[in-house]
Amino acid sequence: TQLLEQSPQFLSIQEGENLTVYCNSSSVFSSLQWYRQEPGEGPVLLVTVVTGGEVKKLKRLTFQFGDARKDSSLHITAAQPGDTGLYLCARSGTYKYIFGTGTRLKVLA
Amino acid sequence: NAGVTQTPKFQVLKTGQSMTLQCAQDMNHNSMYWYRQDPGMGLRLIYYSASEGTTDKGEVPNGYNVSRLNKREFSLRLESAAPSQTSVYFCASSGQAAGEQYFGPGTRLTVT
Repeated sequence: TQLLEQSPQFLSIQEGENLTVYCNSSSVFSSLQWYRQEPGEGPVLLVTVVTGGEVKKLKRLTFQFGDARKDSSLHITAAQPGDTGLYLCARSGTYKYIFGTGTRLKVLA
Repeated sequence: NAGVTQTPKFQVLKTGQSMTLQCAQDMNHNSMYWYRQDPGMGLRLIYYSASEGTTDKGEVPNGYNVSRLNKREFSLRLESAAPSQTSVYFCASSGQAAGEQYFGPGTRLTVT
């Protein structure tokens, strides 16, 4: 089973702090997606990265795809309580997806 | 916009009982998926349907069957529920291969 490794598993921070979460694999991705899941709901797509070295920004969230396309990171600047949730990375193949185990983030007011 | 809908939202079964989880999407997507989510295990693919009329096994298909009833609907059946099938089940759809997936709200299933 090729689960993607995400770290850290859990993160609890104060509002206003910065944080980075990571997604790693031993094999190359053709593309990688980041999702956020709130309690009691399904995951919602945040971004898809495709090109090695690619950086995408979504307001206070910055996503980076490693040059070798084996890893990715998500950086949140000035975290807010609304950022609380489970962050999942997923790699895609033809019709199939493999998800990481997730990073559970809690931002305290 | 409804997106992906799932029923029921919660279900408790006794070991050996059967049930069908229903999923429907109104986005005209070709591909549909069933996942289970367990603590520390992420989302694991049970079955998927790349297009109407086709279904394929995912990572953890044992104990489950699926039916792609039409383009909109994709159901998951547990013939004889086991405690190991206690989980949260998500249905998802996608408009293209390896494209963005849209998830339903999930079904929380407990098997006692």
